[in-house]
Amino acid sequence: QQPVQSPQAVILREGEDAVINCSSSKALYSVHWYRQKHGEAPVFLMILLKGGEQKGHEKISASFNEKKQQSSLYLTASQLSYSGTYFCGTVTYSGGGADGLTFGKGTHLIIQP
Amino acid sequence: EPEVTQTPSHQVTQMGQEVILRCVPISNHLYFYWYRQILGQKVEFLVSFYNNEISEKSEIFDDQFSVERPDGSNFTLKIRSTKLEDSAMYFCASRGGLAGASTDTQYFGPGTRLTVL
Repeated sequence: QQPVQSPQAVILREGEDAVINCSSSKALYSVHWYRQKHGEAPVFLMILLKGGEQKGHEKISASFNEKKQQSSLYLTASQLSYSGTYFCGTVTYSGGGADGLTFGKGTHLIIQP
Repeated sequence: EPEVTQTPSHQVTQMGQEVILRCVPISNHLYFYWYRQILGQKVEFLVSFYNNEISEKSEIFDDQFSVERPDGSNFTLKIRSTKLEDSAMYFCASRGGLAGASTDTQYFGPGTRLTVL
């Protein structure tokens, strides 16, 4: 089952903050965040692992709440380059197999000057 | 920096024709994937491949689809008889394999846009 992302879309002014949520009805072992610009491939941002750790990448950070089976992506002081669609991909099995990622429907982020 | 490459970037075909999409994964990676994305929709997993065989496939990956690693570098997706609904962007991805699927980064190629007329 696919994770549910919210909100579906966000419009911000440059410099504002945003939070994108990803929740699952299944127990999660990891959440993988990607950003995709129109017509391009998804670009990897970060992986959040079971254990609730928080990771950061420049002004983008994320958290993973195991109990709530959800992850949140935080974009601080957004820049024009942050515009795009953000997808969370989940892994619900911790084995070493070649499991594919199950992606949410994405959150469209538009940053205006 | 190593990257996944895909050819062609755009393929136009007639319904019922066979197409082969090609990918060159990152050279020391062991796990390979195909995903597709219908215009405006989410990325959907099709199939994963490891040690020269399919490891996992989704419901979308029916008998019309096949994958192959014909040599040490290429990874291909074949659609035997294309349908209109196969029109989508097809992404190849690969990961190193030193870690499990839950902790290993999948790197995506630029995609092949398939248009079925």
